[in-house]
Amino acid sequence: NAGVTQTPKFRILKIGQSMTLQCAQDMNHNYMYWYRQDPGMGLKLIYYSVGAGITDKGEVPNGYNVSRSTTEDFPLRLELAAPSQTSVYFCASSPHTGGRRETQYFGPGTRLLVL
Amino acid sequence: GESVGLHLPTLSVQEGDNSIINCAYSNSASDYFIWYKQESGKGPQFIIDIRSNMDKRQGQRVTVLLNKTVKHLSLQIAATQPGDSAVYFCAENISQGAQKLVFGQGTRLTINP
Repeated sequence: NAGVTQTPKFRILKIGQSMTLQCAQDMNHNYMYWYRQDPGMGLKLIYYSVGAGITDKGEVPNGYNVSRSTTEDFPLRLELAAPSQTSVYFCASSPHTGGRRETQYFGPGTRLLVL
Repeated sequence: GESVGLHLPTLSVQEGDNSIINCAYSNSASDYFIWYKQESGKGPQFIIDIRSNMDKRQGQRVTVLLNKTVKHLSLQIAATQPGDSAVYFCAENISQGAQKLVFGQGTRLTINP
């Protein structure tokens, strides 16, 4: 298994541009998550999904959109990039095992610079 | 708002010594806690977890202790190795459904030869 994969690894955007960060997992996990990590800080949850067709906001959703059309893919969309969105973005997934807490598995991250 | 925090942002230990990384949490309803290791340029990597019905859990060279009375979590790494150098994050799950993790700021652990 490749686990959680993210593309691109690095991207520079101009203010006002849009882009989609791709995330895919091949572990058949129901739950998927998007986080951002600012320098020297912990991760903050942007959006999450408990299954195909179901998404919900996390702690910092403003300026982002997500969709979940398949179990495998969970893209994150930035419509109007702003300098405040300069960050490293991590996608994660976890299985759902009937109420037990399962850990999240993280992708390698996408580094985004908005100028 | 309620959040997870760490007592020390950096920690340096000698190779072979034991290290202890501490974490304070404020949400008494949290029922699941995780320690992650993050190496430079990589995503967080799961180390060990503990549920709120436990006080201690051991893995390979790592032990997590949970003190619910004072809302404190610690990660003990035995016989540290150069490969243990990384930033360590604690995270708590604040939801009853899908995991909504709240991460601490992180502690950078440096292993001195």
